[in-house]
Amino acid sequence: AQSVSQHNHHVILSEAASLELGCNYSYGGTVNLFWYVQYPGQHLQLLLKYFSGDPLVKGIKGFEAEFIKSKFSFNLRKPSVQWSDTAEYFCAVNARGGYQKVTFGTGTKLQVIP
Amino acid sequence: GAVVSQHPSRVICKSGTSVKIECRSLDFQATTMFWYRQFPKKSLMLMATSNEGSKATYEQGVEKDKFLINHASLTLSTLTVTSAHPEDSSFYICSAPSADYAGETQYFGPGTRLLVL
Repeated sequence: AQSVSQHNHHVILSEAASLELGCNYSYGGTVNLFWYVQYPGQHLQLLLKYFSGDPLVKGIKGFEAEFIKSKFSFNLRKPSVQWSDTAEYFCAVNARGGYQKVTFGTGTKLQVIP
Repeated sequence: GAVVSQHPSRVICKSGTSVKIECRSLDFQATTMFWYRQFPKKSLMLMATSNEGSKATYEQGVEKDKFLINHASLTLSTLTVTSAHPEDSSFYICSAPSADYAGETQYFGPGTRLLVL
């Protein structure tokens, strides 16, 4: 079974600060990796995903993530956060092969102070 | 991208009643859908996998007689919370893998907030 751990539960940053949210996964096979964002009062939105190829993945709104296979990590980064990035961020994984259930990390609440 | 809808978005019911939540894939067919539950300030917990034309697969610890799942068509799955109690109050979210990228990406519905009084 797969599992996902997010080390930061609550992060507070000032606007323009750089962001890095940690994510590690555990699974014996090949995986797909995702970052989802949930803005206050809204539903989950896909930020970015990694299936294969270039381990540096760029997503929407200036976010990127890097898959490091040797570390089983998929950390999310943004060079300069904005107040509008205040949200909860979930790292997720599923097994490669299509139509597989997704396992979520516990989430990181990001609060950006103007 | 693919769109998944849920209905209702919010429901309040009395303890002991049953509540049905619908999950629809609007612009694609979904032979498989997933149902999650999100507790306040917590992550999403997978409840079950809904399979069109066959029985749902429940995760360990989820009562299948309490959370009835029916996947009657390629675009609709329903979750019925039977004899709801206050501890069933939660945010229920469904997802469906889209055929793009061979079903590797899932699209999530907006969620249904259930409050049992």
